[in-house]
Amino acid sequence: DTEVTQTPKHLVMGMTNKKSLKCEQHMGHRAMYWYKQKAKKPPELMFVYSYEKLSINESVPSRFSPECPNSSLLNLHLHALQPEDSALYLCASSQGRGGTDTQYFGPGTRLTVL
Amino acid sequence: AQKVTQAQTEISVVEKEDVTLDCVYETRDTTYYLFWYKQPPSGELVFLIRRNSFDEQNEISGRYSWNFQKSTSSFNFTITASQVVDSAVYFCALKSERNQGGKLIFGQGTELSVKP
Repeated sequence: DTEVTQTPKHLVMGMTNKKSLKCEQHMGHRAMYWYKQKAKKPPELMFVYSYEKLSINESVPSRFSPECPNSSLLNLHLHALQPEDSALYLCASSQGRGGTDTQYFGPGTRLTVL
Repeated sequence: AQKVTQAQTEISVVEKEDVTLDCVYETRDTTYYLFWYKQPPSGELVFLIRRNSFDEQNEISGRYSWNFQKSTSSFNFTITASQVVDSAVYFCALKSERNQGGKLIFGQGTELSVKP
C-alpha cells in the first residue's frame, strides 16, 4: 500500500483566514514532505520532516507553518496568505533512509487565495 | 550543481504510436538516483521507477521501458503503443545523498497528449 491521503481536496480562503492542510500516511514512513506546485511547473520543496523533526525549511515565508504531530500525520497551517500562494500543495512520504528513498505523493490540495 | 533537463515541453501523438521522453541530468556525485513520475490531470504524482547510478541495466514494465546511459547522462522513458490514459505530465528527477539529505531535483516536465 503506497497511499498518502490529503484533505481537503480543494480549499478557497481569504487573505485573513486561517486554515490547515492535512496529510496522512500509514506506510510506516519516517520522512514527510510538503511541496508547492504552480501550474505548468515542477513541484517545489517547502519542508521536510525526518523522524518527526523539521530537517529542511526551504526559506518558506512564516505564513506557512508546518507541524508533524506524529510519524503518520503532517499538517500545514496557513495564515494571512497572498493570492500568489494559490497553487497545488502536495504531501509526500518516504522511508527516511536518505538518498535511497523513494517519495510517494498524495493527490494534493488545490488552494485558491482570494 | 545538480540539474535535470527535459527539453521536450509538450509532445502530441496519436494512440498506438511509440513515444520517447528525454531526460538529461547533471551531477558530480558518483552515487545518485533517478526517478520518473507521472502527473495526470487529477494532480497526484505517481511514482514510476527509480534507478540507482551503479545499475545501468535497462528496465521494461509492460508498455513502459527506460534506457539509462551514464555515458550520455541520460535516462529516457519510452511508452510503446501509447494510450489515451497515458496523457499526463511526466517528470524526471535526480537525487543524491550529498545534496541536502536527498532533495529531489525535478526537470521542468514533459506534457504528453495522446489523441484517439
